[in-house]
Amino acid sequence: SQTIHQWPATLVQPVGSPLSLECTVEGTSNPNLYWYRQAAGRGLQLLFYSVGIGQISSEVPQNLSASRPQDRQFILSSKKLLLSDSGFYLCAWRPARQTFMNTEAFFGQGTRLTVV
Amino acid sequence: DQQVKQNSPSLSVQEGRISILNCDYTNSMFDYFLWYKKYPAEGPTFLISISSIKDKNEDGRFTVFLNKSAKHLSLHIVPSQPGDSAVYFCAASAEAAGNKLTFGGGTRVLVKP
Repeated sequence: SQTIHQWPATLVQPVGSPLSLECTVEGTSNPNLYWYRQAAGRGLQLLFYSVGIGQISSEVPQNLSASRPQDRQFILSSKKLLLSDSGFYLCAWRPARQTFMNTEAFFGQGTRLTVV
Repeated sequence: DQQVKQNSPSLSVQEGRISILNCDYTNSMFDYFLWYKKYPAEGPTFLISISSIKDKNEDGRFTVFLNKSAKHLSLHIVPSQPGDSAVYFCAASAEAAGNKLTFGGGTRVLVKP
């Protein structure tokens, strides 16, 4: 069965410090991978998505970047955190698109990031 | 530009009654729609989905209705249970847009015993 791991679960970082959140998926190959953020009291905003190794699409201009060094590894980074980067970050995966079938996306447990 | 909107931020319903959650979208390219349930500090969990070629999909207590001409979908939960209290997100995807999921802002549901 497929599983998704995201860590750490919580993180408190000072302004200006770097960030690295990691997400890995097991039990599948060539998944579509996504990073979402949920700001306090708000919906899920898509930050980045990837359809393959080294292929990253950015949805919103921001202080963050993403990388996919391996097929089932997705990393969210920042060189210098801002207060506005605080939020709940979620990694998700979805099977690569098949012609006649759609499927749901599966989410990790999330990382609560507080920038102080 | 919010392509998926949930105009009701919250909903309160009595246990045993029906919960109706609404979602509107603007992108006519969306061809697959999903509902997720989310508890605080956890990742969303998938509830039910519907393809644009259908107008209704039912799974136990959950039914999703799609009105393509109105670009509107709804989730019905009947009967509502206290464990249904959570935030519900509507999401949509388009095959022509990288199959990414675009989410609405969520509706917080409170089921009162």
